[in-house]
Amino acid sequence: GESVGLHLPTLSVQEGDNSIINCAYSNSASDYFIWYKQESGKGPQFIIDIRSNMDKRQGQRVTVLLNKTVKHLSLQIAATQPGDSAVYFCAEREANSKLTFGKGITLSVRP
Amino acid sequence: GAVVSQHPSWVICKSGTSVKIECRSLDFQATTMFWYRQFPKQSLMLMATSNEGSKATYEQGVEKDKFLINHASLTLSTLTVTSAHPEDSSFYICSAQTRGNGYTFGSGTRLTVV
Repeated sequence: GESVGLHLPTLSVQEGDNSIINCAYSNSASDYFIWYKQESGKGPQFIIDIRSNMDKRQGQRVTVLLNKTVKHLSLQIAATQPGDSAVYFCAEREANSKLTFGKGITLSVRP
Repeated sequence: GAVVSQHPSWVICKSGTSVKIECRSLDFQATTMFWYRQFPKQSLMLMATSNEGSKATYEQGVEKDKFLINHASLTLSTLTVTSAHPEDSSFYICSAQTRGNGYTFGSGTRLTVV
């Protein structure tokens, strides 16, 4: 079946550096993508989203890039802070149906 | 805005008993809510889609008689784990679809069956 996957299970970055988290998706019919942050013992927290008619969207310190040609999604975090340490999930949705989550990647920020 | 409250945050129950988890949308009406299960170090897996006033739609492999979902109002959905067993121990998370077709998640419920 369709699935969303992540390339790396863990990512360790130095505080102040930029982080890039990648995600591959396989459902070409997906039209909406979301990045979530999940801290231990908590529910997912919305970070940023992007629709399939866009290829880039920026938020505060975060940028999401969408490459529909290769079905790739990335989350860029500028000036990574210790508070950014968490598990990050990408999620995709096809035409107002359910969200499918990727496997998750742990971001660890070194002081 | 768009706050989802989930209770309890954690629960320990004996094997064979039932546990009810509540998911409330506090400042908006949610016609559609979702229930997920998450095992340690794994992703969120959708269990079922809960629609107000109608039967829930369960994902393949999820036992509807074991995981009872009730969505009796536009602000409340409940998940009851019936005859719980240790293998049901997990982190259960609800989500509500907001007016703008976004999603807001509850804080999750850690269920431990002993």
